[in-house]
Formats: sequence, structure tokens, C-alpha cells
Amino acid sequence: ETGVTQSPTHLIKTRGQQVTLRCSSQSGHNTVSWYQQALGQGPQFIFQYYREEENGRGNFPPRFSGLQFPNYSSELNVNALELDDSALYLCASSPGTRVNEQFFGPGTRLTVL
Amino acid sequence: QQQVKQSPQSLIVQKGGISIINCAYENTAFDYFPWYQQFPGKGPALLIAIRPDVSEKKEGRFTISFNKSAKQFSLHIMDSQPGDSATYFCAASPGNTGNQFYFGTGTSLTVIP
Repeated sequence: ETGVTQSPTHLIKTRGQQVTLRCSSQSGHNTVSWYQQALGQGPQFIFQYYREEENGRGNFPPRFSGLQFPNYSSELNVNALELDDSALYLCASSPGTRVNEQFFGPGTRLTVL
Repeated sequence: QQQVKQSPQSLIVQKGGISIINCAYENTAFDYFPWYQQFPGKGPALLIAIRPDVSEKKEGRFTISFNKSAKQFSLHIMDSQPGDSATYFCAASPGNTGNQFYFGTGTSLTVIP
């Protein structure tokens, strides 16, 4: 059984650019949640995808968008990057929408210059 | 605003000592309270979790104490070891939707040999 994987590991972008981050959920999990973790802070919920539909969203602007595919893998897209978007982006998968059984991936470190 | 407040921000403990991290919340809809451990460059990993119907839960050297009336919960690490040096996050999840965690700001624990 493979765990949650994310790609790329690190990414450097410039302000105004767009970025796509990818996540493969753990085997048997149909729900993916994305979190943003700024340096020295706890993770902040961005949104959750369940069976390819958005199922809840945190306090993030519309330039943060996502997709979930039939194999339950997911993408996080961020448009018009800002300096404050620099953070560790975590993906977590779970076998349902309740997060009690949520497992986190290692994250993608995004730096915006 | 910060839904879960965590203290202290950092903690230094001698090997063999007891590490104590505290969290407080306001939202009475929260019904699941996990603690996560995060090492540098890694995603958070579930350490131990509790529901409000019990006041204490113990797993090995890790214990959660829960005070429902005070809306506080804490993590106790007994016989702290250098390998416990990591950042610890408390979190809470609401029972009505249960689809996201609200994390504390984290505690950086250093266990001195």
C-alpha cells in the first residue's frame, strides 16, 4: 500500500506566474484535501475534493483552484502568484470526507520571488 | 481568527523529562482533537487523537488530557527522547461537516540529551 505522494518536491516561481501542484492519494482513499502551511505556522485548509467535486473550501481566494481525477489523484492550481503564496503545500487523503483517517503527504515547497 | 490556540511556541526539555503542550478552542462543534508530529521536510503525521467523551487517552509515552468544560486539551510526552524533537500541532475538526482540520500554530520541541 503506497502512501500519499506529491510532486514536485520544490518549486520556484516569480510573482504573477501560475503553478500546478500534484497529489496522488493513498490506495483506497477517495477524498483529497489541500492545506497551505506558511513558515512557522500550522496548516490552513484550502479545500477538499470528494469524488471529483469540491466539498468545502477555506478562506482562500478564487485564484486557488483544484481538480480531482477519476483515479482520485488531485491538482492544486494557483494563478497570479503573490509573494505570500510562498509556503509548504500539503495534500492529505482519506477514505471519506471525515478527516479522522486523513494521511498527509510530504508536501511541495513553493517559493515565489 | 485562530480557531485553535496553542502554547508554548517552543519548548526545551531534558532527556527523560516530561513535555507538555497546551491547546484551547472556542467552537463547541469540534468533536475530534488530534495531535500531529512534523519533522523538517516532512508532512504532519498523526500521533494520537481524542474525542470529547473521554478525559484522557494514553498511547505509549504520549497522553492527551481533555477538559471539555474549559475547552482545553494538552499533550504530555513522558520520558522525552531526543528523537521526539519535532514540531507538534494540535488540531480540531467539527462534527457537523468533519471535512477539515483547524490547526494550532505549532510547538517546536527540542529534547536535550
